[in-house]
Amino acid sequence: GAGVSQTPSNKVTEKGKYVELRCDPISGHTALYWYRQSLGQGPEFLIYFQGTGAADDSGLPNDRFFAVRPEGSVSTLKIQRTERGDSAVYLCASSPSGGMNTEAFFGQGTRLTVV
Amino acid sequence: AQRVTQPEKLLSVFKGAPVELKCNYSYSGSPELFWYVQYSRQRLQLLLRHISRESIKGFTADLNKGETSFHLKKPFAQEEDSAMYYCALSGSSGRTYKYIFGTGTRLKVLA
Repeated sequence: GAGVSQTPSNKVTEKGKYVELRCDPISGHTALYWYRQSLGQGPEFLIYFQGTGAADDSGLPNDRFFAVRPEGSVSTLKIQRTERGDSAVYLCASSPSGGMNTEAFFGQGTRLTVV
Repeated sequence: AQRVTQPEKLLSVFKGAPVELKCNYSYSGSPELFWYVQYSRQRLQLLLRHISRESIKGFTADLNKGETSFHLKKPFAQEEDSAMYYCALSGSSGRTYKYIFGTGTRLKVLA
């Protein structure tokens, strides 16, 4: 079956604009994660969904960032009033249940560039 | 504080030489430890996890709770091992489990 799919693969936007990044997890996976990876850094946790609800959004850097998963499948990460510092690769991952020992399956990422 | 430290940004070894990628962690509790790998132009994927006690592609990792380390080792490196390697831990935060990643080590295996 298909893995985790993220669209678009690349996004260039102007400072101050609004962007949406989409994640299609593996079918049946209840847990979904968003991470952000800046150049030379490891993935940095943003938010975790279990089903439709955001179980942990402690990694969202500020209120310009918001994510939804209305039907417990596809998720959208929304960034308002983008800043140049938001430029990074945004990774989505899903896992069957989100337990401590479960493998996270990653998408290929969306490279966001704010100019 | 929860943290994963990978002290080497780049590690270069010759083909056939042993390789050790270092990982230290800081966590109050008993986390689960993982190694993820990213080959060129591929997505991040699981290499191995501590709980499985397995050897994948000749790699092993031993958890040392006293030294809070989870170093990745392979006795004879191959050119196809060249990749970016990330150590990660998963621990509970209330009812949720999130992965915390290190900054990664780029392994280059030279012919």
